[in-house]
Amino acid sequence: EAAVTQSPRNKVTVTGGNVTLSCRQTNSHNYMYWYRQDTGHGLRLIHYSYGAGNLQIGDVPDGYKATRTTQEDFFLLLELASPSQTSLYFCASSDAQSNTEVFFGKGTRLTVV
Amino acid sequence: GDSVTQTEGLVTLTEGLPVMLNCTYQTIYSNPFLFWYVQHLNESPRLLLKSFTDNKRTEHQGFHATLHKSSSSFHLQKSSAQLSDSALYYCAPDSGYNKLTFGKGTVLLVSP
Repeated sequence: EAAVTQSPRNKVTVTGGNVTLSCRQTNSHNYMYWYRQDTGHGLRLIHYSYGAGNLQIGDVPDGYKATRTTQEDFFLLLELASPSQTSLYFCASSDAQSNTEVFFGKGTRLTVV
Repeated sequence: GDSVTQTEGLVTLTEGLPVMLNCTYQTIYSNPFLFWYVQHLNESPRLLLKSFTDNKRTEHQGFHATLHKSSSSFHLQKSSAQLSDSALYYCAPDSGYNKLTFGKGTVLLVSP
């Protein structure tokens, strides 16, 4: 079973604060993704990566940075958090072959007050 | 970019009735893969079924869908809804490089 582990699972921060969400996958997958999930918007892709050191811009990247330090680790950075970034964040991974399954972590619930 | 239109919002059904969740998509790729993901309450999304072949029915866990490239549709169906089918369902084309574009999702609520 593919494994994607996110930390922390819950986070509360203040407006203007600095937040890092972590994700580790042990699937030997090339692709990793960060999504946010909001009622009425579904799952939206923030950033993704196809390998260590690579970063691709997703569909809603504003206000977010990301870094892929190793094949296993993908981080999402919010340097000046805003209340609009309150959301459920999912990390996911998939193999390099097209049309393979994307495996999701359990999610991180972020609240910006 | 790619886009997906799903049945809006909430679909409520009585157990035993058929399920039909609509999905139409737009993509620049002539041969996209289409996926349905399901997310139960307080869980992560997981793959329900996928298809690449035009006009071929794909089945999994009692659900089925047929990709129709001529109409850019990939509707999800089930002959008889169960209480355990209550969940959030996402349709998504693979726009290449494993980059899934999810729709807004459809909540299916099945009642006794």
